[in-house]
Amino acid sequence: DQQVKQNSPSLSVQEGRISILNCDYTNSMFDYFLWYKKYPAEGPTFLISISSIKDKNEDGRFTVFLNKSAKHLSLHIVPSQPGDSAVYFCAASETNFGNEKLTFGTGTRLTIIP
Amino acid sequence: SAVISQKPSRDICQRGTSLTIQCQVDSQVTMMFWYRQQPGQSLTLIATANQGSEATYESGFVIDKFPISRPNLTFSTLTVSNMSPEDSSIYLCSVGTPGENYGYTFGSGTRLTVV
Repeated sequence: DQQVKQNSPSLSVQEGRISILNCDYTNSMFDYFLWYKKYPAEGPTFLISISSIKDKNEDGRFTVFLNKSAKHLSLHIVPSQPGDSAVYFCAASETNFGNEKLTFGTGTRLTIIP
Repeated sequence: SAVISQKPSRDICQRGTSLTIQCQVDSQVTMMFWYRQQPGQSLTLIATANQGSEATYESGFVIDKFPISRPNLTFSTLTVSNMSPEDSSIYLCSVGTPGENYGYTFGSGTRLTVV
């Protein structure tokens, strides 16, 4: 039972354009959502998070949108840069207390075309 | 956020042997998490390790196969026992930081290949 889904395994975007990565979830108990970026041979790196009381959180070029009624979140990267090429995972947990397991999506490989 | 040192970074092991992976955190943390990423798959939680108590294992993972130690608040080990080629994966440890805009920090991972 895949509780967090990323339906696009890959995405290619021109440098300078907007990258939009999508994520859906099924578990209504999820209350905190995170995006991670992963390069080969490295651990995932935290990008940005959002709690369920908000519908938007912004940090520099990265913005996460949450539509709780649709159980959907998205990550927007503007403008996209070549260094953004990586695998992006969305993850969810039931709290933001730092003591909960994360449930991960299957990942989307983003390629930024120069 | 915390900084995690994980080792080894990679290893190639014979089937039937065991490998112990270590994670050292630069600050005291209550819980440490161990994940596995099989080739082409997502990250899956193996177990949660509290200091001074038995680790809590997720469905499909057992202590005999993945024994975990947590001797203090900054260190943990995961052993992959009696390895088979199906255990070839990336293994990662993680710790959490409470509060919004903080994520869970991951070690750099151990890439295990069983031959």
